[in-house]
Formats: sequence, C-alpha cells, structure tokens
Amino acid sequence: TQLLEQSPQFLSIQEGENLTVYCNSSSVFSSLQWYRQEPGEGPVLLVTVVTGGEVKKLKRLTFQFGDARKDSSLHITAAQPGDTGLYLCAGADAGKSTFGDGTTLTVKP
Amino acid sequence: DAGITQSPRYKITETGRQVTLMCHQTWSHSYMFWYRQDLGHGLRLIYYSAAADITDKGEVPDGYVVSRSKTENFPLTLESATRSQTSVYFCASSESTGGFGTEAFFGQGTRLTVV
Repeated sequence: TQLLEQSPQFLSIQEGENLTVYCNSSSVFSSLQWYRQEPGEGPVLLVTVVTGGEVKKLKRLTFQFGDARKDSSLHITAAQPGDTGLYLCAGADAGKSTFGDGTTLTVKP
Repeated sequence: DAGITQSPRYKITETGRQVTLMCHQTWSHSYMFWYRQDLGHGLRLIYYSAAADITDKGEVPDGYVVSRSKTENFPLTLESATRSQTSVYFCASSESTGGFGTEAFFGQGTRLTVV
C-alpha cells in the first residue's frame, strides 16, 4: 500500500500569515492532486500536478510537485478565513488514488 | 439535477443489520469509487468500479459489497453492520482512474452510525 504523509496535521494561524503544508511519500506517483474539504461536504479538487518539478499557482495558492514525483507542497500566501478547511493530497498510480490523512487549517480573523 | 448524489445523508442502524448506501451520478462517468473517512484519517478506498459490471477491491473492502448493474448507480452494502463501520462514506466518480490527473467528483457523504 502506498502511503502519503501530510504535515502538519493541524495548523491554526492568523489572517494574513503565510503557510506551507506538505505531502510526502516513499512511492512515485504518476500525478498528485490537492483537494479542499469543508465540514459536511465532499472534497473538491484544487489542482493536479503531473510533471516532476511542476509549479502551479491558483490565486494565493502555490502547488509544487517534487522532482522525483514523490512529494508535494501547498503554500498559501496571506491566508484568509475562507481558506479554513481540510486539505487533502491524493497520489494517483496504477488506476487508484491514495489519500493522505489531511491537514486541518484554521485561519482566525 | 446534474451531479453526484448520495442517499441517505444520515443513517443510524443496529449491529448485525444489512444497510445499503446509494450513489447516483448523472455525468455517465466510467469510474466510480466508495471511500470511508474516519476522524484522524483521510479517505480510504473501499471499492471502485471501472465500468458497469466491473468492480474491484480497494484498501479496506472487508464487510462491504458493491454492484454496478448500471453506469450511473453504484450502491454500497454493509452485509452485517459492525460498530467499526461507523464512519462518513463518500462516493465519487471520474472520467478515468486519475492516473493522469482526471478530477474526481465527490458526493456530499453519508454519515453512518452503527449502534
């Protein structure tokens, strides 16, 4: 079973601060996805990264896929209360996606 | 309405009872998935299906049964519910397996409590 470890598990910050969350594995993935989940809802896709070393930006969010396609990071600039939620990474390979345990982010106003 | 819907949203059942969770999608996606999400854990794959009449086990299939007689429906049955199956269950669909980054669309989840 391929494992994805996310860190930190919990993160509580003030509005305006920057943060980075990590997703690490010993396995290589053909692609990696980041999802955001709000309470009582299903996860919603934020981004997919496919190429080693790839960097994608989505407004204040920057996603990076490691050169070896084993790890990824999500950086949020100037966090806002609306960014609060559970951030999940998922690695895809051999027809299935494996999810990490997630990072619960709380942004206080 | 277009999308992926799960029913019921909430269910309480007794240990030993059979219970079926329903999932319906309107996109005609080939792939459908069932995950469970427990406190402190991410999503763990129970079963998935690549097409009608094709199903395969995921990471945690024991105690569950699935079927896919029609492309749009993918019911999950707990044959004899146990307390350890108390969880939030999510159904998802996608156009492919996600091997090259195809988005998976999730339902709103079914919160199942086994007492």
